[in-house]
This record gives sequence, structure tokens and C-alpha cells, in this order.
Amino acid sequence: DVKVTQSSRYLVKRTGEKVFLECVQDMDHENMFWYRQDPGLGLRLIYFSYDVKMKEKGDIPEGYSVSREKKERFSLILESASTNQTSMYLCASSLSPQMGDTQYFGPGTRLTVL
Amino acid sequence: AQSVTQPDIHITVSEGASLELRCNYSYGATPYLFWYVQSPGQGLQLLLKYFSGDTLVQGIKGFEAEFKRSQSSFNLRKPSVHWSDAAEYFCAVAPYSSASKIIFGSGTRLSIRP
Repeated sequence: DVKVTQSSRYLVKRTGEKVFLECVQDMDHENMFWYRQDPGLGLRLIYFSYDVKMKEKGDIPEGYSVSREKKERFSLILESASTNQTSMYLCASSLSPQMGDTQYFGPGTRLTVL
Repeated sequence: AQSVTQPDIHITVSEGASLELRCNYSYGATPYLFWYVQSPGQGLQLLLKYFSGDTLVQGIKGFEAEFKRSQSSFNLRKPSVHWSDAAEYFCAVAPYSSASKIIFGSGTRLSIRP
């Protein structure tokens, strides 16, 4: 089974802190994704990566950056956390850029910024 | 722009009753279509997907969905729900031109009445 793990299930940070969310997948997937999930808005794509050191902006990249130094690991960085970044963050991976390839999700990190 | 609409925010059905969750999409061509389920505290799990061919798609956990091009719909159905089906359900679209990016609906929360 594909396994996508996220470093924390719950995280509480203060405004202005730099925050790192880590995601690791164990199935040699090419693509990795970061979403945020908010009630009534579904999932919104922040960034995705289709290869090591490659990244592409999603729909809401402002205030976020990402890093992919190794194929299995994709990090989401909040350079200076703000209260409006309080949300559930979901990481996903998919095997290849093939059309409509299934995305496999991690359990999520619920981030609260005070 | 592509979009996905799930008109029902919250649905409650009795255990053993049938279920239909609605999904409409807006896109110029036939996209790839998905249904995902998110159980409380979990990440998203793929229930089923449609790429082409037979418009009635079978998925896991006894779910099925029917693609109706004329109505731009991809409704999810189950003939008899179980208490364990209580979860949030997301319809999603992958535009043909950007296969790795999936657009999610806002979700429908399903509650089961004993």
C-alpha cells in the first residue's frame, strides 16, 4: 500500500514564526502536492512538484514556499505564519504525470496560528 | 474556468437507506472525474474514478457513480448505507490539459441516522 506520512497531526505556532510541514511518501511517486482544506471551500492546491527540485504554483501560493530536495520528501514552508493560515494541510502524491493519475493523501496536519 | 459544484453541504440518511450525492462540473470537454471520501481525522481516500468508456463506474465500499455528459453530472450512489459511511465526500475534476492538477468540490458531509 502507498503510504504518505506527515510529520505532525497537530501544530500550534505563533504569528510571525517560520513553520515547516513535512511530507514523505514511500512509493517512488513522481508528483507531490500540498493542499489546504477549509470548511465550505474544499481542498485548494498550494503548490505541487513533478520532480526533484521542480515546483509549480497552485491556486493559492501566496505566503507559502516549498522544497523538494529528495524524491520522497516534499516540505511546505510558511515563512512568517499568520492567523489566516490556520487550516488543515494535506499532502498527496501520485505515481506519474499520467492524466488523472490517482492521488494518495496523508492524514493531514491541523495548524493553528495564534 | 473549470469548477466543481456539490450543491448539498450536509445530508442525513437512515442506515440501510439508499444514497445519492450530487456533483456537477463545468468544463468544455470531458474531464477525468473522481470521488474521494474523508473519514473523521483521516486523509482522503479514492472511491472511484471515470476516464472514459462505460458511464457507470464501480468503486470501493459498494459505491458507484454515473457520468451524464448531457447534465455535466457525476453523482455518487450507494444502494444501502452503513453507519461507517458517515464521512465527508468530495467530487473532483482533472482537466484533460492539466492532468496532475485536480480541482475539488467543497464537499458533502454525510451523517447516518441509526
